[in-house]
Order: sequence, then C-alpha cells, then structure tokens
Amino acid sequence: QVQLQQSGPGLVKPSQTLSLTCAISGDSVSSNRAAWDWIRQSPSRGLEWLGRTYYRSKWHNDYAVSVKSRITINPDTSKNQFSLQLNSVTPEDTAVYYCAREPCSGGSCYSSDNWGQGTLVTVSS
Amino acid sequence: QSVLTQPPSASGTPGQRVTISCSGSSSNIGINYVYWYQQLPGAAPKLLITRNNQRPSGVPDRFSGLKSGTSASLAISGLRSEDEADYYCAGWDDSLSGWVFGGGTKLTVL
Repeated sequence: QVQLQQSGPGLVKPSQTLSLTCAISGDSVSSNRAAWDWIRQSPSRGLEWLGRTYYRSKWHNDYAVSVKSRITINPDTSKNQFSLQLNSVTPEDTAVYYCAREPCSGGSCYSSDNWGQGTLVTVSS
Repeated sequence: QSVLTQPPSASGTPGQRVTISCSGSSSNIGINYVYWYQQLPGAAPKLLITRNNQRPSGVPDRFSGLKSGTSASLAISGLRSEDEADYYCAGWDDSLSGWVFGGGTKLTVL
C-alpha cells in the first residue's frame, strides 16, 4: 500500500520560496514503474499539474509551462522522498498542494493513483 | 480556464443514473486516455476511472467511463447520497507535455 506524507510550511511571504516535501512509503522514489508529481488546487485555477520527477537510468524532470521558470522538483533517495521548490511566489500561488504517484509500465505513465493528504499554502505578508 | 471542459454542476435523485461530460481536443482526449476522479470535501482526489473505462480495485461497478473522439463521460448508476462530491476528468496533453484537468462538476444528490 503506497502512502505519501507531505510536510512543509503553510505560510510563505511574497517573493520567497515555497518548499514542500513528500515522504514515500510502500514504493521507491527510484522506481522505474512510477513518476512522482506535484499538483495544486485553488478556486481560481482548479487542479493544476506542476511537474514530476522520475528515474529511468537517470533522473528526469518535466515541468508545466506555467511555472517552468520558477519550479524545481528534486528526489532524495537517501530518505525516499521528493520535494517541491517554487520561487518568487505571489498570492496567486496560494493553493492546496498535493504530491502524487503516477504509475508507469511499458514506457507509459498513467494518471496519479495515490495522492498525499494535501497542504494548504498561503502566500501572504 | 481549464483545458478540459466539464459542466459546473449535475444532480440526480437516489437510484437514478447521471452522466457527467468532459470535452477536450485532438491533443489530449482525442489521442490519449481519459481519467476520472472523485473528490469529497476536504479530501484529496480519488482515482475513479483509469484508461477511459477501467475501475481501480475497490471502485463500485456503478461507476463507468466512456470515451468517444475528443469527448468522454462518466456515468453513475444507482445514485447514492455518498456519491455527492466533485468529479474531475483528466488526461495527458501532447501539446502542453503535461497532465490537464477539467474544471470539475459538483454532483448533488437531491
């Protein structure tokens, strides 16, 4: 049973960096049968995929165009977790942030089947 | 504006069958799988339908998915009060190289 446990601050000041971590149990961040995603949800933007990291002989990252210049997703194999960093945040980045697992097989990945509990991050001074 | 288009609301009475539509384009639904999620208040989305019409383990067979061209639909038969939730469609978009979602449909069980 895969479980994802999120941690990180719920309040970030404008122009600063939003940082969240997702600890994985029941699977491995290095698995070649998964990708590890960050998704956010807000009333104004709905559900928005932010990006993912995955290992296929080497590490890969894919990022959404809307945040590509500001986002970094990093794996941490020593702790079996992955993290999200979003730079230069504004109040528009206020949202519930989720980490999630994309199951993959045969070179294809499928929409996330396991989600973290969600973290409400508010951007405010 | 969400890439996939859903009606904002739907409703039905207990026992009834309801359908929720999801409209996309040739870069997403037209060439890739469609997925459906159920989101209860305060909870993370739960995968309801995967790869157009397959139910993950534990999802009742009252839920079914259908895809045709650039559109898809979720059907819920034998509607129950616990089905009252928000429902989202999702898919991979080849032009955007990322996952896209519908704006969500709030289902009310009258």
